Amino acid sequence: RKEVEQDPGPFNVPEGATVAFNCTYSNSASQSFFWYRQDCRKEPKLLMSVYSSGNEDGRFTAQLNRASQYISLLIRDSKLSDSATYLCAGEANDYKLSFGAGTTVTVRA
Amino acid sequence: EPEVTQTPSHQVTQMGQEVILRCVPISNHLYFYWYRQILGQKVEFLVSFYNNEISEKSEIFDDQFSVERPDGSNFTLKIRSTKLEDSAMYFCASTFGGGNTEAFFGQGTRLTVV
Repeated sequence: RKEVEQDPGPFNVPEGATVAFNCTYSNSASQSFFWYRQDCRKEPKLLMSVYSSGNEDGRFTAQLNRASQYISLLIRDSKLSDSATYLCAGEANDYKLSFGAGTTVTVRA
Repeated sequence: EPEVTQTPSHQVTQMGQEVILRCVPISNHLYFYWYRQILGQKVEFLVSFYNNEISEKSEIFDDQFSVERPDGSNFTLKIRSTKLEDSAMYFCASTFGGGNTEAFFGQGTRLTVV
């Protein structure tokens, strides 16, 4: 079983819409979780950290459910510039990040 | 804003040749990492480095790979004898602390082995 799994999408949404997607993890020892944004052929850029039950930053909300071992990301009022691949990553006690394969979001005008 | 920088941005090499990928982590960071991403696949952990030694390495990081921090600023990844399947984006990352701290990635080196 993959350590971190994501719905690959693509999620194709109109501007202004809300889009949400999940990431599941198998390593119950994972302590911290992160959402990264990756544009085509670029480096992952940190979007949000998720240490406790959740985190909110502007239009972005991340939730962590340890009992069910999943993290979600919700994007409100989608902008064209939100089009990207969103990577979920978990970190256990070994400090390395285990990434999911990414969820592709396309926001259309 | 401090950032992780990598050079070169693109490297083309012949199979069997040695390559060295270079990284300058954020100056006050203590933990350094190499990840790779084969085209169309997920980002994969290669190795972590702390206090001038390898902390952990993945099964990908075999004897053909080595890392070094030759001075106070650079962090390098060497592949001794490149194979076609080493073609990928290689990302360097650094963190200030160990667990529960955010990793910042360099812009990557695209390695193409021909």
